[in-house]
Amino acid sequence: DTGVSQDPRHKITKRGQNVTFRCDPISEHNRLYWYRQTLGQGPEFLTYFQNEAQLEKSRLLSDRFSAERPKGSFSTLEIQRTEQGDSAMYLCASSLGNQQPANTGELFFGEGSRLTVL
Amino acid sequence: SQQGEEDPQALSIQEGENATMNCSYKTSINNLQWYRQNSGRGLVHLILIRSNEREKHSGRLRVTLDTSKKSSSLLITASRAADTASYFCATDAWSGNTPLVFGKGTRLSVIA
Repeated sequence: DTGVSQDPRHKITKRGQNVTFRCDPISEHNRLYWYRQTLGQGPEFLTYFQNEAQLEKSRLLSDRFSAERPKGSFSTLEIQRTEQGDSAMYLCASSLGNQQPANTGELFFGEGSRLTVL
Repeated sequence: SQQGEEDPQALSIQEGENATMNCSYKTSINNLQWYRQNSGRGLVHLILIRSNEREKHSGRLRVTLDTSKKSSSLLITASRAADTASYFCATDAWSGNTPLVFGKGTRLSVIA
């Protein structure tokens, strides 16, 4: 399967624990995006990378959220000290982008990682 | 924040009927895209229309774009039960260095 893969698909954790999600993009894609989706809402942008550079992170929901893409391939999204309000689907997407920031093309999404915080 | 607003929020039709969903947005855009999401799954890209295009077709899908009204519509013709899903419009405005901004979606139910 050469699509975007996310792991784990489901994570149940207790409030206060740290969780980490992994995303493996389509191999030739240089851009990688993280979105969050709550029930009945559309995806909400969190952050994105072009290669290993994190070009936008101001939309991360708090300083408990951080993302990395150390070698420009896979990415991780970590949530520290989870809260019940963090319960959501965390979506990763990738795309092939040019060097200009404008014109996002088609995004290829993974199946998401569903987080439940008890 | 979400720029696109889909209308209606929910739509229920009989198999074989056409389904029309609308999207309104607020700022100038480079392009507008439509995505589909089956329950509990990731999003799948359907179609992209650029700001200088007015209409685009793909199979049973027809998308229109009116930049003067800042609106778009997605028409699915001859709907099938398998079209049951949520449909989202997403705008590429690169406002505030944000890539695609999604609306809240239209939940389409096609009844066999």
